[in-house]
Amino acid sequence: SQTIHQWPATLVQPVGSPLSLECTVEGTSNPNLYWYRQAAGRGLQLLFYSVGIGQISSEVPQNLSASRPQDRQFILSSKKLLLSDSGFYLCAWSLWSGRADTQYFGPGTRLTVL
Amino acid sequence: DQQVKQNSPSLSVQEGRISILNCDYTNSMFDYFLWYKKYPAEGPTFLISISSIKDKNEDGRFTVFLNKSAKHLSLHIVPSQPGDSAVYFCAASTISNFGNEKLTFGTGTRLTIIP
Repeated sequence: SQTIHQWPATLVQPVGSPLSLECTVEGTSNPNLYWYRQAAGRGLQLLFYSVGIGQISSEVPQNLSASRPQDRQFILSSKKLLLSDSGFYLCAWSLWSGRADTQYFGPGTRLTVL
Repeated sequence: DQQVKQNSPSLSVQEGRISILNCDYTNSMFDYFLWYKKYPAEGPTFLISISSIKDKNEDGRFTVFLNKSAKHLSLHIVPSQPGDSAVYFCAASTISNFGNEKLTFGTGTRLTIIP
């Protein structure tokens, strides 16, 4: 069966510090991968998605970046965190199954920027 | 610009009664709609979906209704059970240039089932 891992579960970082959040998927090949963020009082906002190694699409301009160095690994990074980067970050995967594919979410990382 | 809106942040329902969660959207390009359920400290899990060519989809105690002209969908849970207490997210789908689905989520409704 497929599983998705995210770490760390919680993170407190000072403004201006770098960020690296990692997501890995097991039990499947060539998944679509996604990074979402939920800020306070907001819905889940799609940040990045990837349909293959090295293929990253960005949905919103921000000081975050994403990389996919391996088929089942998706990394969210920042060189300098802002206060507004605080939120709950979720990684998700789906299969290329045409319409009606569903996305499976990891447990999330709660990031607090002070 | 919130394209998917859940205007009720919270809802309390007596056990055994019907829970109705509502969702409105603004983008006519959305052609597939989903509901996700989220427990604390966990990621959302898929619950039920509906294509825009249908107006109703039923799965056990869960039914989703879609009113395209009103750009409104709702999730009915009957009978409601204590384990249904969670945050429910409405999501709407479009297809990216790569052919994968992109989801736009609402802000969520916290459902509490009262025993």
